[in-house]
Amino acid sequence: QQPVQSPQAVILREGEDAVINCSSSKALYSVHWYRQKHGEAPVFLMILLKGGEQKGHDKISASFNEKKQQSSLYLTASQLSYSGTYFCGTEVGSGWGKLQFGAGTQVVVTP
Amino acid sequence: EAGVAQSPRYKIIEKRQSVAFWCNPISGHATLYWYQQILGQGPKLLIQFQNNGVVDDSQLPKDRFSAERLKGVDSTLKIQPAKLEDSAVYLCASSLVAGEKLFFGSGTQLSVL
Repeated sequence: QQPVQSPQAVILREGEDAVINCSSSKALYSVHWYRQKHGEAPVFLMILLKGGEQKGHDKISASFNEKKQQSSLYLTASQLSYSGTYFCGTEVGSGWGKLQFGAGTQVVVTP
Repeated sequence: EAGVAQSPRYKIIEKRQSVAFWCNPISGHATLYWYQQILGQGPKLLIQFQNNGVVDDSQLPKDRFSAERLKGVDSTLKIQPAKLEDSAVYLCASSLVAGEKLFFGSGTQLSVL
């Protein structure tokens, strides 16, 4: 079952903040976040395990609400390098690392 | 550290032809994944290996797609016969153990004409 991401796209000016949401209809064991730039492979950002962990990667952080089966990715004080498509990947139960990805959120950061 | 290697980088074939993709994961990585990414969509899991055994292939169209991971290292994904809707980027990824972060290869872009 694929997770649902929102919004589909967001346009930011440098320095602005954004939130990307990822939700699942099933109980989640973990949530991964990846960023993919045009024509390149997805690159890992962070993993969140059930327990409500909030992790950070530079000025990008994320939270995981296990009860709501939701995760949010926070882009703070965005930089031009943050442009790309962000995917959440979810692992249901303790499913041996079977990772299903959402449709992605395209982020464009302008000067 | 060498990354995940994939070849070929691009492939153009006509429908009903067959094609094969190759992946060499990062040394020591037990888990290997094949994903299909259609333009504008998220990667869709086709098959997951743990060493040389299949963990999940529930979304692999088994009437035309096959994959193997001999000796728990390299893997090949084959499509026979190809259809127009198979046009996509095929991504191989590996992780040290199941559930840890994935390292993706550059992918193979397949165009079926």
